Amino acid sequence: NAGVTQTPKFRVLKTGQSMTLLCAQDMNHEYMYWYRQDPGMGLRLIHYSVGEGTTAKGEVPDGYNVSRLKKQNFLLGLESAAPSQTSVYFCASSEKREKLFFGSGTQLSVL
Amino acid sequence: EDKVVQSPLSLVVHEGDTVTLNCSYEVTNFRSLLWYKQEKKAPTFLFMLTSSGIEKKSGRLSSILDKKELFSILNITATQTGDSAVYLCAPEGGTSYDKVIFGPGTSLSVIP
Repeated sequence: NAGVTQTPKFRVLKTGQSMTLLCAQDMNHEYMYWYRQDPGMGLRLIHYSVGEGTTAKGEVPDGYNVSRLKKQNFLLGLESAAPSQTSVYFCASSEKREKLFFGSGTQLSVL
Repeated sequence: EDKVVQSPLSLVVHEGDTVTLNCSYEVTNFRSLLWYKQEKKAPTFLFMLTSSGIEKKSGRLSSILDKKELFSILNITATQTGDSAVYLCAPEGGTSYDKVIFGPGTSLSVIP
């Protein structure tokens, strides 16, 4: 019973490189979210999706893109990584108006 | 613009003390409010509140929502060192789609 799985768990990038974070859930949830968390701060919403094929901007969407081609997967892309994107990234999923289930997080460092 | 404020941002108490954590929010089309506990890893779910005035309890933790005054409180009685964590509140709502945004959290340290 995997729940929400994020890959990779750790990654180091150089400024300007691109990468994709993968979030997969096996609970058939409609809603999926990407958050970032910086030291001493709560979770800030980057993008989210309310169903397959839909995406919407959150609080801090600049510099990120997302896709939800399959219901179980939600991809977060960084086209040209910047040091300001060094953070811990959390994916979460939920049914509509239900609690969120979180992945274990991805630690990303951009040098 | 949606806004979530938590207070205090940081708190140090002794074991056995009772603490009250506060969360106020301004969210378009408010639906519910979630409380989470985070201990250096992914947040874990505590409560989901949808109705005003109805207290939810789980052991030494309890929470209540006031939809008129737009706030919620989380109480922890007889605190233990294992309660040391960041407590996050997260209202759900939105203009086009419902989304969940988080407050900055209250960092609670319980010392023996």
